[in-house]
Amino acid sequence: DTGVSQDPRHKITKRGQNVTFRCDPISEHNRLYWYRQTLGQGPEFLTYFQNEAQLEKSRLLSDRFSAERPKGSFSTLEIQRTEQGDSAMYLCASESLGVHNEQFFGPGTRLTVL
Amino acid sequence: GENVEQHPSTLSVQEGDSAVIKCTYSDSASNYFPWYKQELGKGPQLIIDIRSNVGEKKDQRIAVTLNKTAKHFSLHITETQPEDSAVYFCAARSNDYKLSFGAGTTVTVRA
Repeated sequence: DTGVSQDPRHKITKRGQNVTFRCDPISEHNRLYWYRQTLGQGPEFLTYFQNEAQLEKSRLLSDRFSAERPKGSFSTLEIQRTEQGDSAMYLCASESLGVHNEQFFGPGTRLTVL
Repeated sequence: GENVEQHPSTLSVQEGDSAVIKCTYSDSASNYFPWYKQELGKGPQLIIDIRSNVGEKKDQRIAVTLNKTAKHFSLHITETQPEDSAVYFCAARSNDYKLSFGAGTTVTVRA
């Protein structure tokens, strides 16, 4: 257990529905990352926050995706109007800026869009 | 952006033998190279990392080497055990935030 938690662990939804995932980073880690991992591939960067500011978004993050980190603590990732191609594992990682720059990953949320 | 290639995609070794996984990267500005182990149904777990000012680092049965000139780095696991069976990912970081990952190596240790 790295100390990063994600909820839910699994989500099955029908195409067109909205889903929201939550990530709780290691306490006082000021950076929080979202990655997406499809079967047989490594994680791909989606976006990251430094405290409450969203500093970078990948081109993978379409307009249907939105992420927030109010108050610089937990973060949510929402996908609107889900598509079958959104099926993947969504991973959250946290990092304490300036301390070895190690990213610690949570267990992930596996999304299945039917 | 950074492109990381990882080989082999699968690796089967006899318990007690060594396993070697190799990665190459494209961005010469990359300066941090972590290795992650991922077990089924879990998130990636950092097992070792190396920075660009170091050529080799060892932690018990695990070692990593870095050749900045050739832009490649390798993971070495000695005296493999069944619990070493997992998917291993290399990654590179060049811009102080995001990691770029390889596609992974599925390691199977045969008892």
